[in-house]
Amino acid sequence: QVQLVQSGAEVKKPGASVKVSCKAYGYTFTDYYMHWMRQAPGQGLEWVGWVNPKNGVTNYAQKFRGRVTMTGDTSISTAYMELSSLRSDDTAVFFCVRDRGGHSSSYWGQGTLVTVSS
Amino acid sequence: DIVMTQSPLSLPVTPGEPASISCRSSQSLLHSNGDDFLDWYLQKPGQSPQLLLYLGSNRASGVPDRFSGSGSGTDFTLKISKVEAEDVGVYYCMQGLQTPLTFGEGTKVEIK
Repeated sequence: QVQLVQSGAEVKKPGASVKVSCKAYGYTFTDYYMHWMRQAPGQGLEWVGWVNPKNGVTNYAQKFRGRVTMTGDTSISTAYMELSSLRSDDTAVFFCVRDRGGHSSSYWGQGTLVTVSS
Repeated sequence: DIVMTQSPLSLPVTPGEPASISCRSSQSLLHSNGDDFLDWYLQKPGQSPQLLLYLGSNRASGVPDRFSGSGSGTDFTLKISKVEAEDVGVYYCMQGLQTPLTFGEGTKVEIK
């Protein structure tokens, strides 16, 4: 069955970068866009952007442009989200989400907590 | 950006009783193909969000039929016909018509 497995929690200092991975199982990786969402502690959901694993085309939310890079490695069915110039308010759980793609289900990773602290 | 507004933000419920959540968008979510690009998610405590309804009123795979969605354009409603204890969590509406995708603030449903 479809499953998205994300990398483990990270602790980073302000100004550093973090790269979160999301390995896809149970479907053809290149057939669906992959979205990334952010959820600050106790807060709501925020869309960060998407990547098309087939061709590498990306679409980022304005507030993250210049700091975020989303990629996909088709050889290992894994999507990545790298966020640079980290600030304390970037502390959040990041989720990868497979686009519904016209089907009746969407699939979320388990989330990766990124803590930014000096 | 399309702004999504939910109400109420907190909803105490009694098991067996109905419940409803409203979601309003700052722009119409009606696509030229006739679909409303509005999804509903439930995030249970400590879990990732799960899709409940898509395109306004279509139940996602495996979602019980006590959940239903209605509305079109800018006004949408999620209804639970008879709340069960397992329905507690935070409900979010999300528009998928244009990027950036945007979410409502969330409605926290808890048992009275």
